[in-house]
Amino acid sequence: DAGITQSPRHKVTETGTPVTLRCHQTENHRYMYWYRQDPGHGLRLIHYSYGVKDTDKGEVSDGYSVSRSKTEDFLLTLESATSSQTSVYFCAISDGRGDYQPQHFGDGTRLSIL
Amino acid sequence: SQQGEEDPQALSIQEGENATMNCSYKTSINNLQWYRQNSGRGLVHLILIRSNEREKHSGRLRVTLDTSKKSSSLLITASRAADTASYFCATEGNGNKLVFGAGTILRVKS
Repeated sequence: DAGITQSPRHKVTETGTPVTLRCHQTENHRYMYWYRQDPGHGLRLIHYSYGVKDTDKGEVSDGYSVSRSKTEDFLLTLESATSSQTSVYFCAISDGRGDYQPQHFGDGTRLSIL
Repeated sequence: SQQGEEDPQALSIQEGENATMNCSYKTSINNLQWYRQNSGRGLVHLILIRSNEREKHSGRLRVTLDTSKKSSSLLITASRAADTASYFCATEGNGNKLVFGAGTILRVKS
């Protein structure tokens, strides 16, 4: 398994509170991604990073921000959590070298916002 | 917006039977990938087919791609109980980003 650790694995919090999820990799991969998974939607891209301090928005970026100060860490922040952000969040990494690199996923963070 | 649409949404078969899942997409792609997700786990990459390929095999997996119809199929032969999982297709256009479909839930009964 690719060395990807997501923390926390589970979190319950209240509407309006800030939340930060962490993704840590030991593979020295260039690309890192944050997805959310909801029933009936598959995975939807929130933000991604193509290098240290290089990030871009995905399909569902509203209400989320990210930071990548080191190659190995990619943080996802919900500045003021809402109930619609209750979801399972997955981090993924990709080497990005050569053509057609697959993505490798962490085991997810289950976030409940009450 | 969702790029890939899987069909069927759910599939239940007996061990030893073949399982076929289909994926349709909307825009041009560089490649199409299939992933498996076991309950409570992250996605695992199964196979990738490039836009200039029509068929690819990996063990018990066979993937086809028809770019004229914007569709792909995943065939799992001689299924096992351990194949029980959700299966997702994902398309890659430009920029190292994937767009996933909603997935097919496969149940293999022993």
